[in-house]
Amino acid sequence: LAKTTQPISMDSYEGQEVNITCSHNNIATNDYITWYQQFPSQGPRFIIQGYKTKVTNEVASLFIPADRKSSTLSLPRVSLSDTAVYYCLVGEISNTGKLIFGQGTTLQVKP
Amino acid sequence: DTGVSQNPRHKITKRGQNVTFRCDPISEHNRLYWYRQTLGQGPEFLTYFQNEAQLEKSRLLSDRFSAERPKGSFSTLEIQRTEQGDSAMYLCASSWDRGINQPQHFGDGTRLSIL
Repeated sequence: LAKTTQPISMDSYEGQEVNITCSHNNIATNDYITWYQQFPSQGPRFIIQGYKTKVTNEVASLFIPADRKSSTLSLPRVSLSDTAVYYCLVGEISNTGKLIFGQGTTLQVKP
Repeated sequence: DTGVSQNPRHKITKRGQNVTFRCDPISEHNRLYWYRQTLGQGPEFLTYFQNEAQLEKSRLLSDRFSAERPKGSFSTLEIQRTEQGDSAMYLCASSWDRGINQPQHFGDGTRLSIL
């Protein structure tokens, strides 16, 4: 599975747009990019998934450039409740579908 | 709420004791996963079931660990002769295997503390 690199931590303020970039230089042709969010004492929660260009849902947008060697999770107008750890995962969903998590990015939203 | 349910939420036990955790997946999901998460780290894959068959086990799953999923419904994870290093959050997730890249839905975990 492709290795991912993302910032260990980020700070933001309420109402701002937050962009978290993930590098995955060794992404393979069949790999998808998936982001999960995790609050303290809770399990990870699926946010968004994409293969190329742009994907948007009610929670976030995912931007993937043409070379797919990186991706950016965009959270519009964050609030204090968006304080969490965000994980970028890259890989082909194999027959098992197991997920390989890195350390993630701890986002701290301040008032 | 029909999400993934894990019990108990917290377990404190003495070293050397056996513990068992239960996971009830989303009812229509036929895939079930167990992960372990220690403080400051992302979850680590332990094992995977497709219906009642255990199809993959991580090297993290020593012979003191055993998981079952009878009848392809709920699952249990047992740790025998617990050690200090077993202290962690144990997460269960489930998904549907139809279509491409179905997201996994996680429970809120069982936090195990070994005294």
